[in-house]
Amino acid sequence: NAGVMQNPRHLVRRRGQEARLRCSPMKGHSHVYWYRQLPEEGLKFMVYLQKENIIDESGMPKERFSAEFPKEGPSILRIQQVVRGDSAAYFCASSPNYGTDTQYFGPGTRLTVL
Amino acid sequence: DQQVKQNSPSLSVQEGRISILNCDYTNSMFDYFLWYKKYPAEGPTFLISISSIKDKNEDGRFTVFLNKSAKHLSLHIVPSQPGDSAVYFCAAPSSGGYQKVTFGTGTKLQVIP
Repeated sequence: NAGVMQNPRHLVRRRGQEARLRCSPMKGHSHVYWYRQLPEEGLKFMVYLQKENIIDESGMPKERFSAEFPKEGPSILRIQQVVRGDSAAYFCASSPNYGTDTQYFGPGTRLTVL
Repeated sequence: DQQVKQNSPSLSVQEGRISILNCDYTNSMFDYFLWYKKYPAEGPTFLISISSIKDKNEDGRFTVFLNKSAKHLSLHIVPSQPGDSAVYFCAAPSSGGYQKVTFGTGTKLQVIP
């Protein structure tokens, strides 16, 4: 049973380019969460999605960031016109149900903006 | 506003001794707490949890204690092993039916052989 998969593991972009981060949840999981970890900080919640629905995006920056979880395929976190401050590790987690179900994390994508 | 705080960024412990990692929280609405362990270049892994109706939960070498009046919890690892060397995050999910989890900043534990 494969765990949560994220790709790419490392992504380098120049300022102004777009970054697309992919997350495939564990089999049978329909809830996906994205977190961002800046250097020397804890993980910060960004967005919670179910299939084809954004449930809570209160942690997403208002501009340049978007997320989707289509009916088929992985969840995508998209960052347009990246800036140096977007450099961070982005973690995806999934769970089978909401509430107190444990979230299972992927290995993360480390984004570096030059 | 840091609602979950881990004031010790690092901790070194001799193998075989007890490791105590501390966590404080400010939001009295939190009613469930988790500890995650994270190795470099990997995602966090769930370790142990505790509900606010309990003051202690034990799982093997890991025990979490909760003091609601002090808004404080701690993770005890005994005996500590070199493989326990990792960053430990204290976390709390929001109320409201799903896990919008608030994480502390982490404590890096080093267990010295």
